[in-house]
Amino acid sequence: QVHLVQSGAEVEKPGASVKLSCKASGFTFSNYPMHWVRQAPGQRLEWMGWINAATGNTKYSQKFQGRVTITRDTSASIAYLELTTLRSEDTAVYYCARGPIIGGSVFYWFDPWGQGTLVTVST
Amino acid sequence: EIVLTQSPGTLSLSPGERATLSCRASQSVSTSSLAWYQHKPGQAPRLLIYGASSRATDIPDRFSGSGSGTDFTLTINRLEPEDFAVYYCQQYGSSPPVTFGQGTRLEIK
Repeated sequence: QVHLVQSGAEVEKPGASVKLSCKASGFTFSNYPMHWVRQAPGQRLEWMGWINAATGNTKYSQKFQGRVTITRDTSASIAYLELTTLRSEDTAVYYCARGPIIGGSVFYWFDPWGQGTLVTVST
Repeated sequence: EIVLTQSPGTLSLSPGERATLSCRASQSVSTSSLAWYQHKPGQAPRLLIYGASSRATDIPDRFSGSGSGTDFTLTINRLEPEDFAVYYCQQYGSSPPVTFGQGTRLEIK
C-alpha cells in the first residue's frame, strides 16, 4: 500500500528555520518525483517544489527560491523540506506528495499525499 | 500564471443527488492538464481525476471529469455520504508553477 507519513507539528519563531520529513512506503522511492505543497489558513493550495528522488535534482517555485531546500535520503525513503527565515505568513499545513513520471516526463499531478504537517510561526 | 476559479463556493445537496462542480481557467489549459482532488478535514487530499477526464486508481465511476480549454467540470453521480468534502481543481499545463482553485465545499443539505 502506497503511503506517505509526515513528521509532527512544529512551532517556530519568526526568523527561524524548520525541516519537515516525509517517509514513503509501498513503492520504489527513487523512481518518483516528490513534491511539497502548502496551504495557509484560508488560502489556496500552493506548490513549493519537487525533487527527483533518483538524482537529487530539484526545482522550486520562484516564490520560495532562496528560502526552500528539498532533499532526500534514498536509503530511508524520506523526503525533506527545509524552509528558512520563517515569517508569520509561512504558518500553514505542509504536504508532501508523489508525482508521476510517464515516458520519462514529469507530470505535476499528485498521488498520494501525506497527511500534512502544521507549521505555526509565532512569537 | 493561470488562475483557476471554482464555482459554486458551496454546494448543498442530499445523498443520491448529482453534484456538478465547475472550474474555469483564466487562460487555456494546455493538453487538458487538469486534475481534481477531494479533501476532508484532517486527511490527505485524494486525487480523483487527472488529464481532465481520467479517473485515478480506485476512484469509483460515479466520479467523472470533463472539459477542455478554459472550462472544466467534475460530476459526482449518486452522492454517497462519504463524498461530502472540499474539492479542488489544479492545472499543470503551464508547470511550474502549478496552480489550484480556491475549492468548492460540498455539504449535506
